[in-house]
Amino acid sequence: EVQLLESGGGLVQPGGSQRLSCAASGFTFSSYAMTWVRQAPGKGLEWVSSITESGDKTYYADSVKGRFTISRDNSRNTLYLQMNSLRAEDTAVYFCAKGGVGRVQGLIYWGQGTLVTVSS
Amino acid sequence: QSVLTQPPSVSAAPGQKVTISCSGSSSNIGKNSVSWYQHLPGTAPKLLIYDNNKRPSGIPDRFSGSKSGTSATLGITGLQTGDEADYYCGAWDTSLSAGVFGGGTKLTVL
Repeated sequence: EVQLLESGGGLVQPGGSQRLSCAASGFTFSSYAMTWVRQAPGKGLEWVSSITESGDKTYYADSVKGRFTISRDNSRNTLYLQMNSLRAEDTAVYFCAKGGVGRVQGLIYWGQGTLVTVSS
Repeated sequence: QSVLTQPPSVSAAPGQKVTISCSGSSSNIGKNSVSWYQHLPGTAPKLLIYDNNKRPSGIPDRFSGSKSGTSATLGITGLQTGDEADYYCGAWDTSLSAGVFGGGTKLTVL
């Protein structure tokens, strides 16, 4: 059974940093691109970042470019999102997803999400 | 303002059919595959359609997808109250080198 378990969310002050993790199981993690998607309160889904299977290529939304870094550890079956210089508008539930919206198969499976609140 | 444009809401009676449109451009829908997602608040989004018109295993054939030019459409037949959710289209935008979603469509089954 595929499982994606996000962790690392919480309350952080503006300008602060937070690292999200997504522990994957039930599939060959290293064979899939992975993606972070977020949903701000009362808003729709927003694509944040994707990473290729080997981690050699990464992609970011303009809204987070230069502040967020996506990475993965295929030996630990874990996806990460390092978030720096956080702003109030980064407040959202962050979902990790198996696959890529740019891949033919789409975002095949999603985690339950972790809430990040940026506030003083 | 989302790159992909969806109607904010649609509604229909149980048992009826509804379609949800997703309009894009030559750099996203016109060039790349479209996927559709169902999202009930507080839960994990679910993939309904991938590669424009394919259904993952476990998704009933009441759900269908199509694409023509720079637009895509999600169809749902035999509406059930359990279908009430937010629906999103997604695609890759080659010009932006970024993923893009529609703003979402709230389906109400009256």
